Amino acid sequence: QVQLVESGGGVVQPGRSLRLSCAASGFTFSSYAMHWVRQAPGKGLEWVAVISYDGSNKYYADSVKGRFTISRDNSKNTLYLQMNSLRAEDTAVYYCARDLRSWNNRGGDAFDIWGQGTMVTVSS
Amino acid sequence: AIRMTQSPSSFSASTGDRVTITCRASQGISSYLAWYQQKPGKAPKLLIYAASTLQSGVPSRFSGSGSGTDFTLTISCLQSEDFATYYCQQYYSYPLAFGPGTKVDIK
Repeated sequence: QVQLVESGGGVVQPGRSLRLSCAASGFTFSSYAMHWVRQAPGKGLEWVAVISYDGSNKYYADSVKGRFTISRDNSKNTLYLQMNSLRAEDTAVYYCARDLRSWNNRGGDAFDIWGQGTMVTVSS
Repeated sequence: AIRMTQSPSSFSASTGDRVTITCRASQGISSYLAWYQQKPGKAPKLLIYAASTLQSGVPSRFSGSGSGTDFTLTISCLQSEDFATYYCQQYYSYPLAFGPGTKVDIK
């Protein structure tokens, strides 16, 4: 079945780095733009970053720009989020999510498939 | 950046009620608006996209309307499984943005 599974979360000290992964299965990964969305404890959803289906275009939320890098390996059906210079305010559940439409060249889209999330805690 | 607001932030309702949640964008977003349902400890679930198109498998008691800056999500007859938090999301332009959420709980 169509599935996204995140991994790589954990507890990390402020200023350190962490890399999240999102393994996709059950669909043609290379046809879809992919996103990271986060949710701080008890808070709402915050869009973090997107990468186009071929990896040629990337956009970031201002809150993570310059610190986080989104990437993908279509040969491994895997999405990544490299998080550097982590701050306490980055503490959240991080979800990967799939664009609703394949081969989307327009830009943004709704998200029809979500992973279960991975928790990142930034604390000394 | 486009900012999204929702009202109310929370309310109590009973099964069988008709409920309406409002979402407003800080600038026109045409119909590039989605609605999600989220239950505690779970990932969000897409309910509606393009402001009014029901996602496959979503019950027909959910409906959406609006365009430009003002949108609504309506649940025609609230069921026990509908008690959750609802978020709107604009995908007109980057950075994408969610509304702050509306929590619907049991009266």
